[in-house]
Amino acid sequence: GENVEQHPSTLSVQEGDSAVIKCTYSDSASNYFPWYKQELGKGPQLIIDIRSNVGEKKDQRIAVTLNKTAKHFSLHITETQPEDSAVYFCAASMGYGGATNKLIFGTGTLLAVQP
Amino acid sequence: GAGVSQSPRYKVAKRGQDVALRCDPISGHVSLFWYQQALGQGPEFLTYFQNEAQLDKSGLPSDRFFAERPEGSVSTLKIQRTQQEDSAVYLCASSHVLRAPQPGELFFGEGSRLTVL
Repeated sequence: GENVEQHPSTLSVQEGDSAVIKCTYSDSASNYFPWYKQELGKGPQLIIDIRSNVGEKKDQRIAVTLNKTAKHFSLHITETQPEDSAVYFCAASMGYGGATNKLIFGTGTLLAVQP
Repeated sequence: GAGVSQSPRYKVAKRGQDVALRCDPISGHVSLFWYQQALGQGPEFLTYFQNEAQLDKSGLPSDRFFAERPEGSVSTLKIQRTQQEDSAVYLCASSHVLRAPQPGELFFGEGSRLTVL
């Protein structure tokens, strides 16, 4: 089955710096890659996603890149702010022909933005 | 409210007790997922409903876990004879899209934290 690995597990940056989180996946059939932000005591919230027919997508300070050949995708946050501090999860959808496009999540990255 | 609502938010159970966790999805959402999130880990898929039909229960860890969505809206996750390894946050998510989560967004609730003593 699909396996998603995520690095680093923790990341500390100074306010205003950029942060990059990387994920790799194993199943070449995966075709949907969302990123979620989870704050303490809250459920994950979608922040950006990308489909396999697109190489890069940007939304204000966040961007995601996808390399299908290498089976890895990355989240880039520019001009980080203290409110960006949270746990970030990457995920991949197995996308098989059944009824479920269940998400397989990475293990998460704890991002701390130091003011 | 407009979001996915889960109850109880916190549940402490003695080993061997049965528990029931409730999920109220966003009104009209046809797809509903349950995930289990252990401390410091990413969510892991448990089961999926399309309206009232449970189409995938491959992630349920044992036959002690049972989920239902009888009228295609509210869902209940039941855990029988709880064990310490069942301690986790149980997340419910819903989407208006069939065969979610793509391309529709998946909305998560805040979760039910279960602690088994």
